[in-house]
Amino acid sequence: GAVVSQHPSWVICKSGTSVKIECRSLDFQATTMFWYRQFPKQSLMLMATSNEGSKATYEQGVEKDKFLINHASLTLSTLTVTSAHPEDSSFYICSARDPGVDPDTQYFGPGTRLTVL
Amino acid sequence: AQSVAQPEDQVNVAEGNPLTVKCTYSVSGNPYLFWYVQYPNRGLQFLLKYITGDNLVKGSYGFEAEFNKSQTSFHLKKPSALVSDSALYFCAVRVFNNAGNMLTFGGGTRLMVKP
Repeated sequence: GAVVSQHPSWVICKSGTSVKIECRSLDFQATTMFWYRQFPKQSLMLMATSNEGSKATYEQGVEKDKFLINHASLTLSTLTVTSAHPEDSSFYICSARDPGVDPDTQYFGPGTRLTVL
Repeated sequence: AQSVAQPEDQVNVAEGNPLTVKCTYSVSGNPYLFWYVQYPNRGLQFLLKYITGDNLVKGSYGFEAEFNKSQTSFHLKKPSALVSDSALYFCAVRVFNNAGNMLTFGGGTRLMVKP
């Protein structure tokens, strides 16, 4: 149980285009999902907390207009990187909690590697 | 601020030997502590957690961790390392903010197990 998937697993795009990354909870309903960014050989940095049916809460320093988060259902959250630039190239990871089973543990998706040319 | 620290960037151990990956925490109140493992180009996999109860917590893949309140530590251990244990390990603590509760991660420790 508590499986989280991400799509795509990797994406290459041109500078100036927008990229959408999907995060799905496959066998549970997640009222809250989290989006992280990880640079090579570094730790995970929380970007935002995504709450179903409401606006995401962004961490300090994260541009909400650049990283659009939509949590339209209890099993899907999307992160859209708008007008991507090479400095947005990174590994993006989502996670979710299964409040019905274990409200304390976050389960992570496999990540999406974004490369902006 | 509530945080965890992993003092070692890398730990090297020979296969079959015991391993320890260190984590210390700075938390007000009772800490909720976690260990995750990350294999190359993959997301994080949950290993174990400490919420309350026994100080020795057993988790996945033969790993365990010992909560030590006096030393504010939560070191990850395994009696006999495998080459396949080579990966990046993260300690994390649950903290609370305006959005609810979230995880704050340590900087990570790369474990290298050599045959």
